[in-house]
Amino acid sequence: EAEVAQSPRYKITEKSQAVAFWCDPISGHATLYWYRQILGQGPELLVQFQDESVVDDSQLPKDRFSAERLKGVDSTLKIQPAELGDSAMYLCASSDRDRGSYEQYFGPGTRLTVT
Amino acid sequence: AQSVTQLGSHVSVSEGALVLLRCNYSSSVPPYLFWYVQYPNQGLQLLLKYTSAATLVKGINGFEAEFKKSETSFHLTKPSAHMSDAAEYFCAVSSANQAGTALIFGKGTTLSVSS
Repeated sequence: EAEVAQSPRYKITEKSQAVAFWCDPISGHATLYWYRQILGQGPELLVQFQDESVVDDSQLPKDRFSAERLKGVDSTLKIQPAELGDSAMYLCASSDRDRGSYEQYFGPGTRLTVT
Repeated sequence: AQSVTQLGSHVSVSEGALVLLRCNYSSSVPPYLFWYVQYPNQGLQLLLKYTSAATLVKGINGFEAEFKKSETSFHLTKPSAHMSDAAEYFCAVSSANQAGTALIFGKGTTLSVSS
């Protein structure tokens, strides 16, 4: 069964350092999402891509966060510099919007701890 | 704007007992609703979805949910709890009734199952 891949699974970094997360969606899924889940909360959208284009990044803190999906396949989310409040689970999801699907498939997530 | 409220951050049941997890939504358009389950340090897995077809939706692992427009509710039930059902459950609404739009999640309900 096809799955969304994410790496690394866990990341510990010091405040002010740069970190990057990688996501490979299910093959053929044109829509890719990055969500942030703070401990004890539900996920919240950071950025959404349709192919290589950003559809919604209204909740992305653009002064320190950046996201790209250059070839419309895999994606990278970067934080520079990391702050203590960035400690969270970062979830990537994909969906097959072009086939009218509403289902989003989530990867295992990257647990970030900023010290 | 769409929003989701999950009543009860923690629900405890005995093995074999009825599981009832409550979700109320607010939506300015006909809602598309979802229930996801999350095990510790893992991503989210779709349990079931409502996309304007039958109001009683059956999902995986014996779960089902009923869409009640008059009550703006989408409660999740399972007749008989199993130890393996212990997890975090999230109710979500699509931010617009179009395929591929981002999900808005509730804060989650932790289900504990005792023997």
